[in-house]
Amino acid sequence: GESVGLHLPTLSVQEGDNSIINCAYSNSASDYFIWYKQESGKGPQFIIDIRSNMDKRQGQRVTVLLNKTVKHLSLQIAATQPGDSAVYFCAETSGGYNKLIFGAGTRLAVHP
Amino acid sequence: DAGVTQSPTHLIKTRGQQVTLRCSPKSGHDTVSWYQQALGQGPQFIFQYYEEEERQRGNFPDRFSGHQFPNYSSELNVNALLLGDSALYLCASSRDQGVNYGYTFGSGTRLTVV
Repeated sequence: GESVGLHLPTLSVQEGDNSIINCAYSNSASDYFIWYKQESGKGPQFIIDIRSNMDKRQGQRVTVLLNKTVKHLSLQIAATQPGDSAVYFCAETSGGYNKLIFGAGTRLAVHP
Repeated sequence: DAGVTQSPTHLIKTRGQQVTLRCSPKSGHDTVSWYQQALGQGPQFIFQYYEEEERQRGNFPDRFSGHQFPNYSSELNVNALLLGDSALYLCASSRDQGVNYGYTFGSGTRLTVV
């Protein structure tokens, strides 16, 4: 399928390593954040979310950290697997939660 | 349970033509949002439909219009196509308008304008 990640920054990791993907968000009023994974030919897939009253949230093999002071989000993936290879986007929203504002995206390449 | 279904998956149009893209939301969802994703970029919000009305709109010209039907399905129409309209068009459905209510994306329609 056509690459979603063309021209995006790429993070290359070895299988089994931990990955950290960073994102700077734009609106200090944003109070809900989501990380999405997008594989070629597919739409964005929900990974994990966090509200602004939290600074950390854990899921299965994933952790999201939120630093509101510097408007920064990170996604940590433990024991990265080849199936984690994709483009990752952070998204923010506020107010009525009607629309998402997406960041630029990072392509994660996992090497065996 | 089917997720969000979009049609067609790919299409090619000529500059100046008009196009209609279709979206069927996930079962139980009543809100449909449309996004444009240019190659190498994140999706950008076009508009959202709830109760057959456009409830919020992003920074897109009036050439982009939509409709929601009583069964919650939706169409995105783009008139007077430009080369810059070439993109992946994504539909997302949810309950009660909110992105925090099971916001689910379809696989998109790849539009190429030549």
